[in-house]
Amino acid sequence: KAGVTQTPRYLIKTRGQQVTLSCSPISGHRSVSWYQQTPGQGLQFLFEYFSETQRNKGNFPGRFSGRQFSNSRSEMNVSTLELGDSALYLCASSLGQQTDTQYFGPGTRLTVL
Amino acid sequence: ILNVEQSPQSLHVQEGDSTNFTCSFPSSNFYALHWYRWETAKSPEALFVMTLNGDEKKKGRISATLNTKEGYSYLYIKGSQPEDSATYLCAFIEGSNYKLTFGKGTLLTVNP
Repeated sequence: KAGVTQTPRYLIKTRGQQVTLSCSPISGHRSVSWYQQTPGQGLQFLFEYFSETQRNKGNFPGRFSGRQFSNSRSEMNVSTLELGDSALYLCASSLGQQTDTQYFGPGTRLTVL
Repeated sequence: ILNVEQSPQSLHVQEGDSTNFTCSFPSSNFYALHWYRWETAKSPEALFVMTLNGDEKKKGRISATLNTKEGYSYLYIKGSQPEDSATYLCAFIEGSNYKLTFGKGTLLTVNP
């Protein structure tokens, strides 16, 4: 069974630009969660989608948005990039219950210059 | 804002030592606790999902216990090996929501 895939793996952008990251979950998984990892803050929850609906959102500004498609693939968009958005962005997929294991992808490393 | 604390922040042990670390979380409105291992240059890998007070889970040399009344979980590694070197993360799920709130992790280094 293929694991969670994320594209691109690395990205360099400049301040003010926008970026879209993609996550393909494990086949059969309907939940996709997104996390931001920075050295100082650790892993922080961005949002979670299940069957194309956002069920939970973390404490991030409105510049961070996401969506999920009918095939469970998910995208995350960050508009008007700031230097502080430089981070590793991880997505994780699961069957969708709170006690289901979340399987993480390899991440997208975003650098904002 | 939920507070999930892990201690110690880092730990160096010798091969063969047994070790343990702690995850503290809010004791009210508990739903589940997840443990992950995150090795450098890899993705976080799930170890355990714990839900019931008094739960004990084991996977090889690694085990975990859960106390939901006092809000803590312990992770134990018996006979540490260099390949156990990683950051160990716990993540708390509250009530009816679907988000994992992670602690900042314990970085374990096992010296050969």
